[in-house]
Amino acid sequence: NAGVTQTPKFQVLKTGQSMTLQCAQDMNHEYMSWYRQDPGMGLRLIHYSVGAGITDQGEVPNGYNVSRSTTEDFPLRLLSAAPSQTSVYFCASSYKLAGVYEQYFGPGTRLTVT
Amino acid sequence: GESVGLHLPTLSVQEGDNSIINCAYSNSASDYFIWYKQESGKGPQFIIDIRSNMDKRQGQRVTVLLNKTVKHLSLQIAATQPGDSAVYFCAEMPSGGSEKLVFGKGTKLTVNP
Repeated sequence: NAGVTQTPKFQVLKTGQSMTLQCAQDMNHEYMSWYRQDPGMGLRLIHYSVGAGITDQGEVPNGYNVSRSTTEDFPLRLLSAAPSQTSVYFCASSYKLAGVYEQYFGPGTRLTVT
Repeated sequence: GESVGLHLPTLSVQEGDNSIINCAYSNSASDYFIWYKQESGKGPQFIIDIRSNMDKRQGQRVTVLLNKTVKHLSLQIAATQPGDSAVYFCAEMPSGGSEKLVFGKGTKLTVNP
């Protein structure tokens, strides 16, 4: 299994540009999430999904859209990039079994908005 | 435990010593807690979890303690090794089935050989 894969690894955008961060998992996990991590901070939840066709907002959803058309893929769209969205973005997938909720994280996408 | 501004709390230990990393969580309604390890340039990695109906849980070289009275979580690492050097995060999940994890700001552990 490849686990959770994210592309691209690095990206530089100009203010106002749009782009999609890709995330895919091959573990047949129901749950997928997007987080952002800023220097000296923990991870903050942007959006999450509990299954194909179902998404919900996290703590910091503004400026981002998601969709979950398949179990495997959970892309994150930046509609109009702003410097405040400069961050490292992590996608995670997880299963919940017998009360255990184990998330597997991708390697991250480092985004810079100038 | 909690950081102030951009500065992560740090813990520096000698190889072979035991490490204790602390975390204060915010929501008394949280009923599930997880510790993650994040090495430089990588995504977080699950270490151990604990439910609110437990006070203590042990894994391989790690122990998590939960004190619900003061909303405090700790991670103990026995015989700390250089490979344990990383940033450690606690995360809490409120009850109610939302599956929304809330992460703490992290503690940077440095293990000196």
